Amino acid sequence: GAGVSQSPSNKVTEKGKDVELRCDPISGHTALYWYRQSLGQGLEFLIYFQGNSAPDKSGLPSDRFSAERTGGSVSTLTIQRTQQEDSAVYLCASSHAGNTEAFFGQGTRLTVV
Amino acid sequence: QKEVEQNSGPLSVPEGAIASLNCTYSDRGSQSFFWYRQYSGKSPELIMSIYSNGDKEDGRFTAQLNKASQYVSLLIRDSQPSDSATYLCAVVFSGGYQKVTFGTGTKLQVIP
Repeated sequence: GAGVSQSPSNKVTEKGKDVELRCDPISGHTALYWYRQSLGQGLEFLIYFQGNSAPDKSGLPSDRFSAERTGGSVSTLTIQRTQQEDSAVYLCASSHAGNTEAFFGQGTRLTVV
Repeated sequence: QKEVEQNSGPLSVPEGAIASLNCTYSDRGSQSFFWYRQYSGKSPELIMSIYSNGDKEDGRFTAQLNKASQYVSLLIRDSQPSDSATYLCAVVFSGGYQKVTFGTGTKLQVIP
């Protein structure tokens, strides 16, 4: 597609439920990032994929968070047993390579009630 | 720990003035530098890339890079109220995972 596509745009879930957030990067982009942004805060790095290399998982806040990238394209971020503090906007970005500019999707606003 | 540092602001400037946004980074070997703009409730959007020492101009925006001082700045000339946003500095560090690392951003307010 023309840009980074994320789905859903909004997700409301009950505390304790699992959620999956999807990111479809720009075609041909080998690098993919997930960030979290709480209201009024900066970007919090979660995970980075680059080609077939092992992902950089150093930003994942707990073992409830995981992500995968299938076939070097679409990525899914999974949050298990959601907590209220997981409420935030989850942003995905992709770039042609790791050291080039990244382009963001519109984000998924997650609300845990 | 490789870091990108920005003053959180807010930086307030009158309409028509020059806004100067600054960023320092910890890795002397960094080669790629970016400025993003993020409006409230929106995703960050890329506005400038700079790779070499010196100035790069694009319309009302000028990015300045000084690798010796590990300093990158963004100047916005003839600031408009529509420039009010948070500006994020991003750097690709050398070594390890060569990925884009963001600062926490500077909030700019342009006062009419």
